[in-house]
Amino acid sequence: KQEVTQIPAALSVPEGENLVLNCSFTDSAIYNLQWFRQDPGKGLTSLLLIQSSQREQTSGRLNASLDKSSGRSTLYIAASQPGDSATYLCAVFEYSNYQLIWGAGTKLIIKP
Amino acid sequence: EAGVTQFPSHSVIEKGQTVTLRCDPISGHDNLYWYRRVMGKEIKFLLHFVKESKQDESGMPNNRFLAERTGGTYSTLKVQPAELEDSGVYFCASSQANYEQYFGPGTRLTVT
Repeated sequence: KQEVTQIPAALSVPEGENLVLNCSFTDSAIYNLQWFRQDPGKGLTSLLLIQSSQREQTSGRLNASLDKSSGRSTLYIAASQPGDSATYLCAVFEYSNYQLIWGAGTKLIIKP
Repeated sequence: EAGVTQFPSHSVIEKGQTVTLRCDPISGHDNLYWYRRVMGKEIKFLLHFVKESKQDESGMPNNRFLAERTGGTYSTLKVQPAELEDSGVYFCASSQANYEQYFGPGTRLTVT
């Protein structure tokens, strides 16, 4: 049974720092991995999707990597801003089950 | 292009009452998913439609939950009768061939 773990559960850093959020999964038989952002009381915003054949994806200040063999993904945020404060979730798509399996999220606070 | 929409955004009902949530997927997306996040827990898969057919409903908690997708367009999720533990945020997502799922803003359900 696939399990997704995100570490740390919460992170608070000063504005301007670069930071890394971690996601690990137990079964490497995934089709893709998505990183999402959720603001308080709001919906889910897809940030990056990495197909199983890819190693990384970049969008602006965000870079996500995937090491399927070791069951790990990282989300790198460069030059963090207060507007980056949110909960970040990773989820893996299992082709066999056609569903996303979710981590519990990392709550990120960027201090001005 | 309109995104995934959900209605209502928030519903407060009493235990034992009935509530119906609605999801309108992105036009042309054959796949429609329902997920739920209860307080303090990870987001969990509920079910998956392909067009009007239920592909997988293994995540539905019990027979108080009924999902339909009329004509392969919008979907409804009915909870009857609602219990306290049904409180949470219900997310709907849709996808097409590349399996990237696009999420709606969610419906926050509060059962009192």
